Amino acid sequence: SSELTQDPAVSVALGQTVRITCQGDSLRSYYASWYQQKPGQAPVLVIYGKNNRPSGIPDRFSGSSSGNTASLTITGAQAEDEADYYCNSRDSSGNHLAVFGTGTKVTVL
Amino acid sequence: QVQLQESGPGLVKPSETLSLTCAVSGYSISSGYYWGWIRQPPGKGLEWIGSIYHSGSTYYNPSLKSRVTISVDTSKNQFSLKLSSVTAADTAVYYCARHVLNSAATYFDYWGQGTLVTVSS
Repeated sequence: SSELTQDPAVSVALGQTVRITCQGDSLRSYYASWYQQKPGQAPVLVIYGKNNRPSGIPDRFSGSSSGNTASLTITGAQAEDEADYYCNSRDSSGNHLAVFGTGTKVTVL
Repeated sequence: QVQLQESGPGLVKPSETLSLTCAVSGYSISSGYYWGWIRQPPGKGLEWIGSIYHSGSTYYNPSLKSRVTISVDTSKNQFSLKLSSVTAADTAVYYCARHVLNSAATYFDYWGQGTLVTVSS
């Protein structure tokens, strides 16, 4: 399957923890990567591989995976974390080198 | 610091071919990695279009494969996208990005700023 499913929207109180999930069959075989996208801007990679952060990404962002579900956790959410988040992985059928999730809008209250 | 910059017409007529180029600086395409194109229709999510290896090997999204051609010019350190027979459904912001691909994962670590292409007569 080439589908990665995310909840459309989640909200989190300032300073609290939020988990964003991504479901898909390919996640049983491949790691997910995660991107943050703010309005009018290009996506920014925040997590890749097992749980790696590119240089400059705060350590409040972390990734995990279990079965067919990958998760992005923001521990101590800040106002600047309000954005759309997309997961990304390979397709287990081999037809797609890259598939993106449906996206989750995170609102920081 | 790797930087990518898309360029090309912002308006394309229906049935014509969309052509974009991505200029890469701070890294030589010949040194490795895949290089990809991703698009995002207004208000919608991201869609992978295809990627090319520095050697010229290409991989396309099956849903677009019949209309897409991606090429690389290592002498100019740039790669290009052509999408034929465009319709209004191809209106989107088009991004180029460096594509890291291995046996365990796929991800895009450097992105261009994106360029809006509108398909309209």
